[in-house]
Amino acid sequence: GQNIDQPTEMTATEGAIVQINCTYQTSGFNGLFWYQQHAGEAPTFLSYNVLDGLEEKGRFSSFLSRSKGYSYLLLKELQMKDSASYLCAVLDSNYQLIWGAGTKLIIKP
Amino acid sequence: GAVVSQHPSRVICKSGTSVKIECRSLDFQATTMFWYRQFPKQSLMLMATSNEGSKATYEQGVEKDKFLINHASLTLSTLTVTSAHPEDSSFYICSARRAGGINEQFFGPGTRLTVL
Repeated sequence: GQNIDQPTEMTATEGAIVQINCTYQTSGFNGLFWYQQHAGEAPTFLSYNVLDGLEEKGRFSSFLSRSKGYSYLLLKELQMKDSASYLCAVLDSNYQLIWGAGTKLIIKP
Repeated sequence: GAVVSQHPSRVICKSGTSVKIECRSLDFQATTMFWYRQFPKQSLMLMATSNEGSKATYEQGVEKDKFLINHASLTLSTLTVTSAHPEDSSFYICSARRAGGINEQFFGPGTRLTVL
């Protein structure tokens, strides 16, 4: 079956750095997405990786290793507004998005 | 660009009534639209995938006669929850994928349905 694993919850301090990991086992791979979802709101697109390596976008970076079935989202200089759920999703061979359950990130002052 | 709107944002209805939710891609043509349901503190659950002009593909366990999807144009898809019951109360979110993109999905703001 298809499976996406990510931690349920993480806590970090304002101004610090946090890394949210995601491992996946899917039938085929056409890219990996990270989305941010604030409570009561719809998800918003953060990043997309299809080749191995690190993609940097401001305070957020996303890394992919296809051979290991592994990705992480790195958030730097954490702000209180970064408190949200972070969803990892993989596009499989049928171009269907397989969603992880999300990681709830709690930022403390 | 890539804005998706959803209407209504909130709806409260009586048990047994039907509710229609609209999803529109405002500044792009959506080859495919998706309907999700999300219960509190849970992840997104894909309900169905719809392509313009063809029948929607429903996920296992989703009743197609209860959740009617119409994808009439490249910018509009509707979800009708027929004979709604309290257990249908949820956050319904649509997303759209545009032609020629990287296959990312752009999400509407969601519709919170409460069935009394």
